[in-house]
Order: sequence, then structure tokens, then C-alpha cells
Amino acid sequence: EAQVTQNPRYLITVTGKKLTVTCSQNMNHEYMSWYRQDPGLGLRQIYYSMNVEVTDKGDVPEGYKVSRKEKRNFPLILESPSPNQTSLYFCASALQSMHTEAFFGQGTRLTVV
Amino acid sequence: KQEVTQIPAALSVPEGENLVLNCSFTDSAIYNLQWFRQDPGKGLTSLLLIQSSQREQTSGRLNASLDKSSGRSTLYIAASQPGDSATYLCAVIRVVNRDDKIIFGKGTRLHILP
Repeated sequence: EAQVTQNPRYLITVTGKKLTVTCSQNMNHEYMSWYRQDPGLGLRQIYYSMNVEVTDKGDVPEGYKVSRKEKRNFPLILESPSPNQTSLYFCASALQSMHTEAFFGQGTRLTVV
Repeated sequence: KQEVTQIPAALSVPEGENLVLNCSFTDSAIYNLQWFRQDPGKGLTSLLLIQSSQREQTSGRLNASLDKSSGRSTLYIAASQPGDSATYLCAVIRVVNRDDKIIFGKGTRLHILP
């Protein structure tokens, strides 16, 4: 089954403790991206990757890092999480950029206390 | 700066009615527009993708139209069912310096009354 898998689905952590949210897709897609969704602000893009070893900042990259060492994986790294990063995070992939249909993961609800 | 607006923010209609969801965008230089569905606690599911050269796309009971010149897209849902209850988001994709930029609307929360 074609899918985008995020882990974990739910996470509560403390300020400053580094964490990684994993994202994996099994569709051989070139394009992957991360979003956060907040009430009243909608979905905002954090980082995206057009292909392996190619990553670019989205609209709200501050406080986040990503890597794309292999095609299927695109982890989101929070080196020092802060409470304002409490949000619902989504990973997405598409065959070739957002010109093509996008597939989203189930989401990761992160709470930073 | 591209802005995407969806009106209304929430909508409740009786089962069986046809309905229209609206999406407007401020910059007509878009590459394509996508409509998504989001169920509570779930990710987004792509419903329809309209390329900038197209006027509409259809999938089952769904029909999406695109009018670039006026900066508008509509999602038409025919014969609504309770299972259509969800939040519907539109997103426009622009090419900026050869990179894609995607901007989402805040969504319309649809509730179909049985």
C-alpha cells in the first residue's frame, strides 16, 4: 500500500530535549516536505526536499533541521524544542514537486512543556 | 504575497444537498491548485489537482473549477452524504526562483446533517 508513515504519532517532551520525527514514503517520490498546522494559522511549510541531498527552507524553518540522505526518508529534527513548537506536524511526498498529487502522513502531535 | 482564503470557515448542510466551497487567491501566477480533505486527527487526502491550464477536474461526486483571472476556485459536492463531513483545504502552488511554494487556505469545516 502506497503510504507516508510518520513516527511517533504523539509525543510530549520537555523544553530543550532534542527530538526527531521520522517520515518515510514507499512510493519512490522525489519530493518530500514538512508542515505544521496550528489553529487559526492553517498549514505552513517548514522545509522541503526536491531530491536526495537537496533541502530548502519553507516559510517557517526556524528551530528545525531536516536531512535527506536517502530517497524514502525525510526526518524532522528539533535540536532544542521550545513550547512555541507545540503543534500538529505533517510530512508529505509527491512524485515530482508539488506539481503532482501530494500524499500526506497521518500527523504527529507534538507537545513541548 | 500570495494569500489563500476559504469562505465560509464552517458550513452545515442537510444530507442530500449539493454544495459549493470557495477558495480565492490573490496572485493569479499559480502553477496548479489542489483540494484536500482532512478528517479529524488525520492527515490530508488529495481530492483533485487542477493544473493552471485547466478549467476544471471531476472525480465522482466532486467537481473543482479554476478561474485564474479572477483568483477563484470552487469545489462542488453533489448529493452530499454524512461521510463527506470533514475539513476541506485548498492549496495553490507557485514557482518561485524555480522552486515550488505551496500556500494553504485555512479550510472550510463541513458538517453534513443526517
